[in-house]
Amino acid sequence: AQTVTQSQPEMSVQEAETVTLSCTYDTSESNYYLFWYKQPPSRQMILVIRQEAYKQQNATENRFSVNFQKAAKSFSLKISDSQLGDTAMYFCAFMKQETSGSRLTFGEGTQLTVNP
Amino acid sequence: GAGVSQSPSNKVTEKGKDVELRCDPISGHTALYWYRQRLGQGLEFLIYFQGNSAPDKSGLPSDRFSAERTGESVSTLTIQRTQQEDSAVYLCASSPDPGLSPFFGPGTRLTVL
Repeated sequence: AQTVTQSQPEMSVQEAETVTLSCTYDTSESNYYLFWYKQPPSRQMILVIRQEAYKQQNATENRFSVNFQKAAKSFSLKISDSQLGDTAMYFCAFMKQETSGSRLTFGEGTQLTVNP
Repeated sequence: GAGVSQSPSNKVTEKGKDVELRCDPISGHTALYWYRQRLGQGLEFLIYFQGNSAPDKSGLPSDRFSAERTGESVSTLTIQRTQQEDSAVYLCASSPDPGLSPFFGPGTRLTVL
């Protein structure tokens, strides 16, 4: 079974600064996907970024980028130029790569607060 | 609408009653997921439907929980004889293809008194 661990229950950052959220996972699979989702107080889950395990290049989406270390089973999220609207719960998630698809396994989340 | 919709948005029920939660996925999405999120916690997998394949029910916590999906459309999650520990937000998600990131609905907040 896969497990996802987010060791930082809460983090805070000043507006315009950079923050990194940690995520580690445990799996025996070689092919899989990793995701970061954001959940603001509205509780709507929003995809932030996606990474395929076979790709060595780290995914980036505007101010969001990941540091994917496959050997270390680490998948951290870096948010640059933090904005007040980035305040939310952030979840790291793992999905096995299977033809028929599979479940997403989530970490426990990191509550990020961006301070003005 | 363009997104995943869920109804009701909030449900309050008495212990021992049955409840039905509904999910309307995005049209054409073959994969559908149900998750449970207790207050302040992460998302707990319940069940996964993919096309006409047998669903992955391995996350259902007890036989009081069941879910159905009609083809590649609506899904209902049924909880029988509700207990207070069933209180949570129930989230539905759908995906157009295995491996693509699922899109989540707004959830149904269930409160069992």
